[in-house]
Amino acid sequence: RKEVEQDPGPFNVPEGATVAFNCTYSNSASQSFFWYRQDCRKEPKLLMSVYSSGNEDGRFTAQLNRASQYISLLIRDSKLSDSATYLCVVGLNTGNQFYFGTGTSLTVIP
Amino acid sequence: DAGVTQSPTHLIKTRGQQVTLRCSPISGHKSVSWYQQVLGQGPQFIFQYYEKEERGRGNFPDRFSARQFPNYSSELNVNALLLGDSALYLCASSPWDVSQPQHFGDGTRLSIL
Repeated sequence: RKEVEQDPGPFNVPEGATVAFNCTYSNSASQSFFWYRQDCRKEPKLLMSVYSSGNEDGRFTAQLNRASQYISLLIRDSKLSDSATYLCVVGLNTGNQFYFGTGTSLTVIP
Repeated sequence: DAGVTQSPTHLIKTRGQQVTLRCSPISGHKSVSWYQQVLGQGPQFIFQYYEKEERGRGNFPDRFSARQFPNYSSELNVNALLLGDSALYLCASSPWDVSQPQHFGDGTRLSIL
């Protein structure tokens, strides 16, 4: 079983739409959670950390549900520039490892 | 401030050769991690180094090795290259441990012929 699972998509949404991505993780001892964005043939860039209480950064909202072991990312009022692959990342102190999901592809259509 | 820098940007090798990739972390960051990313997949963890010691290792064969220097820069070595080693190799740095997000370099694109 993979440590982190994501729906690869693709998600094709019109400008202005709201879109949500989910990610599940298998290890209940996971300690840190992040969403990264990766543009085609570029390096991943940190979008936001995910906290137990949930957190928001402009049009982006991240939630963590430890009981169900899933993380979500909500993007409101989608822009063309939001088109990218969104990677869910989980950090595990044991072995100091970060585990990445396969990424969810988003295309925002004019 | 400079971000994470990696060299070279691109590299072409043949099967059986050896390769060394280099990474300089963000100033003040003491932890460096290496990842392999093949097309269509998320990055796969290879190693993490902190204070010149290996602190984490992913599920990669012994052909992969790395080290970290006193200035916190790092090298990833891969011996006896296979076609399947063709990938984007990413280096990431962070101040300390998994509780803090990592920042990635542009990567080295390695092609094996």
